[in-house]
Amino acid sequence: DTAVSQTPKYLVTQMGNDKSIKCEQNLGHDTMYWYKQDSKKFLKIMFSYNNKELIINETVPNRFSPKSPDKAHLNLHINSLELGDSAVYFCASSQDFTANIRGYTFGSGTRLTVV
Amino acid sequence: QKEVEQNSGPLSVPEGAIASLNCTYSDRGSQSFFWYRQYSGKSPELIMFIYSNGDKEDGRFTAQLNKASQYVSLLIRDSQPSDSATYLCAVRHGATNKLIFGTGTLLAVQP
Repeated sequence: DTAVSQTPKYLVTQMGNDKSIKCEQNLGHDTMYWYKQDSKKFLKIMFSYNNKELIINETVPNRFSPKSPDKAHLNLHINSLELGDSAVYFCASSQDFTANIRGYTFGSGTRLTVV
Repeated sequence: QKEVEQNSGPLSVPEGAIASLNCTYSDRGSQSFFWYRQYSGKSPELIMFIYSNGDKEDGRFTAQLNKASQYVSLLIRDSQPSDSATYLCAVRHGATNKLIFGTGTLLAVQP
C-alpha cells in the first residue's frame, strides 16, 4: 500500500487553465504539506495543514489554494495556470507538525507542465 | 545567505570510496537535521536524521552534526553506483517548525 499517494502523476495543460492535484496519506499522520521542486531541484514549502488546520502559508500567489477535507487528504487547486508554475509538486506528511520523528514521508510527485 | 546551503556538485567518487557530503545552515535555533536521497525522477526518501552533536551511524551511512559551527555532514562508506543520486539536507527551523531544504548535492559513484 502506498503511504502517500498523489494524483495525477503527470499533468500537461495550457496557460490559463485551472487544475487540481490530490493527495492522500494512510499513515495516520496529523500533518500534511505541499512542496514545489523547481528545475534546479530546490524544494520549497508552500503550505502545511495540521489536523485540517492551515499552519504554514508561504508567500505563494493567490492562484494556489489548498484544501484539506480531513487529516488524511490535502488537495491543491491552481487557477489561471502560468508557464512559471511548471514544476514537480510533492505532497508530504509527518506524524505531527514538529516532524521530529522520522521527518516527512513524500508522495511520488506530480510533474506539472504548462504550455 | 540561503537558510540551508549545499554544494550542488556533482561530487564524483570511485566505487568503494567514502563520499562526504556537507551542509551548513543559518538558523541557530534549529534542532533537527535530516538527510534525504532523491533519485532522478523520484521522490525524496529519508535516509538519516540527527538531533545531537556528534556522529550517528546507520550501516554505511554516518551523519555528523556540529551545532556550534552550524554544519551537518553525511558520510557514505564503501560507495556503490546505486548510491548515485541527489542528497538533500533538510533542517527543521526552530521557531516555525518548517523543514527547510538545501538545493542538494549530486553524487556520482563511478564503477
